[in-house]
Amino acid sequence: AQSVTQPDIHITVSEGASLELRCNYSYGATPYLFWYVQSPGQGLQLLLKYFSGDTLVQGIKGFEAEFKRSQSSFNLRKPSVHWSDAAEYFCAGVSYNTDKLIFGTGTRLQVFP
Amino acid sequence: NAGVTQTPKFRVLKTGQSMTLLCAQDMNHEYMYWYRQDPGMGLRLIHYSVGEGTTAKGEVPDGYNVSRLKKQNFLLGLESAAPSQTSVYFCASSSGLETQYFGPGTRLLVL
Repeated sequence: AQSVTQPDIHITVSEGASLELRCNYSYGATPYLFWYVQSPGQGLQLLLKYFSGDTLVQGIKGFEAEFKRSQSSFNLRKPSVHWSDAAEYFCAGVSYNTDKLIFGTGTRLQVFP
Repeated sequence: NAGVTQTPKFRVLKTGQSMTLLCAQDMNHEYMYWYRQDPGMGLRLIHYSVGEGTTAKGEVPDGYNVSRLKKQNFLLGLESAAPSQTSVYFCASSSGLETQYFGPGTRLLVL
């Protein structure tokens, strides 16, 4: 079955530290992959997406993600986190034969000053 | 452009009551979706539509009905609300498999 897995439920980092949020996918073919961010009480905002081509994609707010086919991963990274990055992050994927976006269960990021 | 809007923002229902959640988008998107978000479970697809007049079941459709009479609107109905339907509901729209754009959500509490 198609799935998206985020192994880390909760991550805590200090402001200024680097960040990597993990995402693994299970699809028969390479899916389209997305990272969304949700601030408390808000809707979801797209950070970045991968459809094809360059495996390192740049997004908004200084985030980037790298698609690794061999590891079935699409990890989100940021070199230096800011207190305003505290939020919940969702990885999601969709394949051409499903029409449906499948979400991971999310990773809650806490940032300490 | 307003993007995706949802009405109402918050609602309290008693068990057995009915209600309709309204989603509207002004981006001329063909695809529209209804999700529910529960703690620790991410977003789960309830129903979706790939065009005006069409609807399809998602992952958790039981207890919900939908209608897409106009391209810009997607309605989610609860005929007889149950406490298990307490959740935050999100609507989204997209052009096919492109990026989905989300509304701000509706918080529903069923007592």
